[in-house]
Amino acid sequence: DAGVIQSPRHEVTEMGQEVTLRCKPISGHNSLFWYRQTMMRGLELLIYFNNNVPIDDSGMPEDRFSAKMPNASFSTLKIQPSEPRDSAVYFCASTARTGGSYEQYFGPGTRLTVT
Amino acid sequence: TQLLEQSPQFLSIQEGENLTVYCNSSSVFSSLQWYRQEPGEGPVLLVTVVTGGEVKKLKRLTFQFGDARKDSSLHITAAQPGDTGLYLCAGVNYGQNFVFGPGTRLSVLP
Repeated sequence: DAGVIQSPRHEVTEMGQEVTLRCKPISGHNSLFWYRQTMMRGLELLIYFNNNVPIDDSGMPEDRFSAKMPNASFSTLKIQPSEPRDSAVYFCASTARTGGSYEQYFGPGTRLTVT
Repeated sequence: TQLLEQSPQFLSIQEGENLTVYCNSSSVFSSLQWYRQEPGEGPVLLVTVVTGGEVKKLKRLTFQFGDARKDSSLHITAAQPGDTGLYLCAGVNYGQNFVFGPGTRLSVLP
């Protein structure tokens, strides 16, 4: 398996522009997570889906952020309009159940810079 | 809100030294996980500990889950430059509620 795939790997955009980040989870994994990582705040959960349904979006910063999972093999995280404080590395992860626990598999991340 | 603390925040050691990093919380978790993250990559799962007092070994890495399932430690024996990275602990609650700590940034110098 190719693992979790994210695109683009790097994105540089100007303040006010729309940004769309994409994720393909590992086939057969039923849950998908979006995280944001910065030096100041560490790894923060934004939203997670189970069987394509959003379960917990309490980490989504504000209405400028939205996420969708139209099918089991694809998810998007959209920021509109983007702001410089959104600059971070955004990770997507999917989970597999192993024994009595869940294991997360992370993608390589998208490094977003908003100028 | 459940929080995890990790210490130390930064650690720089020479190749061959031993080290221990800690992960602490006031909350009980159903399991605890350790991840290692290298620059430019996503975190990679190293281990999951489930039972209070459990000890797991992965080559030169030893992981322990506290008896009360609130804390954990990671011990590395004879550290190597390849161990360099950000070590994250994650508490897992029933279901898929993952809570990540801020991480310990380890640098092993040759």
